[in-house]
Amino acid sequence: QQQVKQSPQSLIVQKGGISIINCAYENTAFDYFPWYQQFPGKGPALLIAIRPDVSEKKEGRFTISFNKSAKQFSLHIMDSQPGDSATYFCAACTSGTYKYIFGTGTRLKVLA
Amino acid sequence: EPEVTQTPSHQVTQMGQEVILRCVPISNHLYFYWYRQILGQKVEFLVSFYNNEISEKSEIFDDQFSVERPDGSNFTLKIRSTKLEDSAMYFCASSDSGAHSYEQYFGPGTRLTVT
Repeated sequence: QQQVKQSPQSLIVQKGGISIINCAYENTAFDYFPWYQQFPGKGPALLIAIRPDVSEKKEGRFTISFNKSAKQFSLHIMDSQPGDSATYFCAACTSGTYKYIFGTGTRLKVLA
Repeated sequence: EPEVTQTPSHQVTQMGQEVILRCVPISNHLYFYWYRQILGQKVEFLVSFYNNEISEKSEIFDDQFSVERPDGSNFTLKIRSTKLEDSAMYFCASSDSGAHSYEQYFGPGTRLTVT
């Protein structure tokens, strides 16, 4: 119940294309869903986050889509660039705990 | 831009030795965390710390682990007697209070290698 399932494990996209990474959860108590970007040898960096009271949040080229009934959320990277090549982690958290449960990560490669 | 810093970047130790990993969270943050990432795997929660006490800990955080905020700026993770399976990247994170309390900012990590 505490798991967050993330797919795909790896993704190759052409420059300018759309990258889509999906996550699913079971615990309906989760109410904060961040996405992190991690470059090799670096710590995860907060990219964008959403709460379940909205279905979509957009920041620049990054959009989170949230489907509360399906217990799924996804990250869309529009106009993907080679500099976006990194590992992306979704996570989920419950109010009051601040304990992130991370997905297994998606290694994105954007071809020039 | 303020950031979380961690030292050392890489620590090599022998099995059974004690190690202390150090973190300096973002200065006005009130919540502190340790996570670990075994090579090629997902990031796992270890412990959260607020108001000078542990808020929550995972099953990984057993009696061999302890955390401390020895002064107003540092936050440490101690592993008393390291095991081979403790080899991982350890990340410190911190978050603000109020509306931003869920936004956790991670440091660059300490790679711990136990031989």
